[in-house]
Amino acid sequence: DAGVIQSPRHEVTEMGQEVTLRCKPISGHNSLFWYRQTMMRGLELLIYFNNNVPIDDSGMPEDRFSAKMPNASFSTLKIQPSEPRDSAVYFCASSLEGRTDTQYFGPGTRLTVL
Amino acid sequence: SQQGEEDPQALSIQEGENATMNCSYKTSINNLQWYRQNSGRGLVHLILIRSNEREKHSGRLRVTLDTSKKSSSLLITASRAADTASYFCATDGLYNAGNNRKLIWGLGTSLAVNP
Repeated sequence: DAGVIQSPRHEVTEMGQEVTLRCKPISGHNSLFWYRQTMMRGLELLIYFNNNVPIDDSGMPEDRFSAKMPNASFSTLKIQPSEPRDSAVYFCASSLEGRTDTQYFGPGTRLTVL
Repeated sequence: SQQGEEDPQALSIQEGENATMNCSYKTSINNLQWYRQNSGRGLVHLILIRSNEREKHSGRLRVTLDTSKKSSSLLITASRAADTASYFCATDGLYNAGNNRKLIWGLGTSLAVNP
């Protein structure tokens, strides 16, 4: 069975551009998470979906960030406009049941904003 | 300070030695999980220990949990170069005044196993 799939794996963009990160969770999992990881701040939860509904977006840094989950097999994280401080590795993870269950992570998207 | 704080922050050992990492947390928990992250990769779940368990084994991994001290340790025996990675603990801690829980992550221990 395929794990969590993320695309692209690497993204280099210029400040002010829109960036869209994509995620396909493991089939049958009802929870999806977007994380950001940096050396300075470690692993930060950005947003948590349960059954395609955003439950907790308190970790979204500001209005420039938005996330959607139109169906059980696809989610996007969008940054518009992007800034250099958004440079980080963004992970998508899914779990079978809820936000305290074992999480399965994708390979991540390394974002560099110049 | 954060729930799920690991120590040490970094650990360097020789192949064949044992590696021990610790995790402390603040609120009550139902379970504690350990994850591994190889450089440039996503986190991989290693083991989950429930609050009513004191010790759990998986291959060369041994996890202990002391709920009275709110701490856990991860022991990797007979380490290999392939064990070089960062190790994170995550607890299903309480995060607001209610009874809501979420997975709370530590900052990780960076383990280097030298051949």
